[in-house]
Amino acid sequence: EADIYQTPRYLVIGTGKKITLECSQTMGHDKMYWYQQDPGMELHLIHYSYGVNSTEKGDLSSESTVSRIRTEHFPLTLESARPSHTSQYLCASSALEGSVMNTEAFFGQGTRLTVV
Amino acid sequence: AQSVAQPEDQVNVAEGNPLTVKCTYSVSGNPYLFWYVQYPNRGLQFLLKYITGDNLVKGSYGFEAEFNKSQTSFHLKKPSALVSDSALYFCAVRAAMDSSYKLIFGSGTRLLVRP
Repeated sequence: EADIYQTPRYLVIGTGKKITLECSQTMGHDKMYWYQQDPGMELHLIHYSYGVNSTEKGDLSSESTVSRIRTEHFPLTLESARPSHTSQYLCASSALEGSVMNTEAFFGQGTRLTVV
Repeated sequence: AQSVAQPEDQVNVAEGNPLTVKCTYSVSGNPYLFWYVQYPNRGLQFLLKYITGDNLVKGSYGFEAEFNKSQTSFHLKKPSALVSDSALYFCAVRAAMDSSYKLIFGSGTRLLVRP
């Protein structure tokens, strides 16, 4: 079944550790996104990609980095985690628009990160 | 610049009553509009979208939304609310001509349906 997967679902980690949040999709989508969601609900785009070897910064500045070596995989890395990075991280994907009717984004379940 | 406003942080409604969750947008050119729902500790689930055509669009779980170009609104509606509809609802917009394909989300509205 075509889907988008995020691991881990929950992560508690100490300050200064390096972490990678995984995101994979089996829908063959070219576009992928990372959103950061505040405790107060609001979603902020932090990274996006049009396809392999394409990565762009989003609207909210983030100390994280991303890579897109394979179409289906869009991991997010924090080199040195800090308490201010505590948040929920949502990965999403959408199709390139051969047809504009396929323009909605599909989201993973999210990773809730807590840095202590 | 694109933006989305959801003026209500929370909407309370009794089960069986109609519900409306409001959304207004600002975008250059034609908009693509979306509604998503989020249950606790979950990702966002797509509900419905307006791309073109009929202003009234129907989506999952009995929800519908009406695109109003003159009022730049895309309010989410349901004729009869269920307790299980209680969740966070997000409106999102993208400009049809935006080559970045980025979705801009509203701040979210918490819907609480009481029995």
